[in-house]
Amino acid sequence: DIQMTQSPSTLSASVGDRVTITCRASQSIIRWLAWYQQKPGKAPKLLIYKASSLEVGVPSRFSGSGSGTEFTLTISSLQPDDFATYYCQQYNSYSGTFGQGTKVEIK
Amino acid sequence: EVQLVESGGGLVQPGGSLRLSCAASGFTFSSYWMTWVRQSPGKGLEWVANINQDGSEKYYVDSVKGRFTISRDNAKNSLYLQMSSLRVEDTAVYYCARPQYSGGWYSLDCWGQGTLVTVSS
Repeated sequence: DIQMTQSPSTLSASVGDRVTITCRASQSIIRWLAWYQQKPGKAPKLLIYKASSLEVGVPSRFSGSGSGTEFTLTISSLQPDDFATYYCQQYNSYSGTFGQGTKVEIK
Repeated sequence: EVQLVESGGGLVQPGGSLRLSCAASGFTFSSYWMTWVRQSPGKGLEWVANINQDGSEKYYVDSVKGRFTISRDNAKNSLYLQMSSLRVEDTAVYYCARPQYSGGWYSLDCWGQGTLVTVSS
């Protein structure tokens, strides 16, 4: 099974900061990676698919990059609405494994 | 409007059974793979199971194999998760979700609101 490892687990940042979250796969997933944002008590929301494609309606301050086994999610200028938990998910195999999540907190 | 509405959650004793349902509307349900994802209290997301369009392919996370069964009824636009031999560690909010595109397994762009399953004596 493909394992997904996210880092860091928690990130403290201020409004306006540039934030980067990393996701590593245990084997190549080509570019079959998605990023989700989740707020407390809510369902996850798709931000990025196929490693770098921005979902419709998602602000352009969110971007994704990477291929193979290493991927990043970048928020270019953190906004108050962005404080949340972020998850990566591989969909190269039918297991659909998620990373363990990165909580972005207010510094 | 695309919508997924889960139901069937509740309190069940260890070793018990429960059947979750997910009612889909606003899209051609029979054209999409579907999936269940769960989230234990205070924990991360865990993919649970996938099913293809006609139910001929099913995939499960190792921890639920042999205990959970995913199924669907395309005539009723409904997805199901039959859970048996439930354990305390199965306690979670269970979400049904739909891939972004029909015809295959992709990132998940539509999620239900979730239904809480609590396994406790």
